[in-house]
Amino acid sequence: EVQLVESGGGLVQPGGSLRLTCVASGFTFSNHYMDWVRQAPGKGLEWLGLSRNKASNYVTEYAASVKDRFTISRDDSKASLYLQMNNLKAEDTAIYYCVRQKGFGDLIFEYWGQGILVTVSS
Amino acid sequence: IQMTQSPSSLSASVGDRVNITCRASQTITRHLNWYQQKPGKAPKLLIYTTSNLQGGVPSRFSGRGSGTGFTLTISDLQPEDFATYFCQQSFGPPLTFGQGTKLEI
Repeated sequence: EVQLVESGGGLVQPGGSLRLTCVASGFTFSNHYMDWVRQAPGKGLEWLGLSRNKASNYVTEYAASVKDRFTISRDDSKASLYLQMNNLKAEDTAIYYCVRQKGFGDLIFEYWGQGILVTVSS
Repeated sequence: IQMTQSPSSLSASVGDRVNITCRASQTITRHLNWYQQKPGKAPKLLIYTTSNLQGGVPSRFSGRGSGTGFTLTISDLQPEDFATYFCQQSFGPPLTFGQGTKLEI
């Protein structure tokens, strides 16, 4: 059974940093592209970025809204995906989801974690 | 690529047939996916690549379209179908979603 479990969320002050972790199980992590998607309270879904798989040299891509502040990385030996968030703003308050793509680079979001809440407030 | 869904909300009854439309700002061929989200839960993949039903999804869900216009149809609405639906283009990064359609009783 595929499982994605996020951790590391919580309350952070504006300008602060936070690192989210997603631990995966039930599949061969190194084979898959992985994404981060967020949802502000009562709002829609926003794609943040992706990490390609080992075969694609772990290349990352980002949404323009977070490109200069967020960094996605992964550790295949730990089946873990990370989201480093710097210079956080109030508008970054959201539930953050770790997502596994359906195929190898098909950009379809098949499996989602339960989500982790990040609140940016003083 | 901007994705525009309509309507933003929709009221229907059990047994009804409903259509939700998603329009892309440029052609995405058939790279369009649909998700269902219930309150407090993560989204769930329903249909991928315009018309392919994800495993375990009831056959009352169907999708069609190509280019810039797409439709999600739910036939014979069931109580568990009342949720919010999002479209998403997988033509290429940056990946984008529609704003959502809330389906209410």
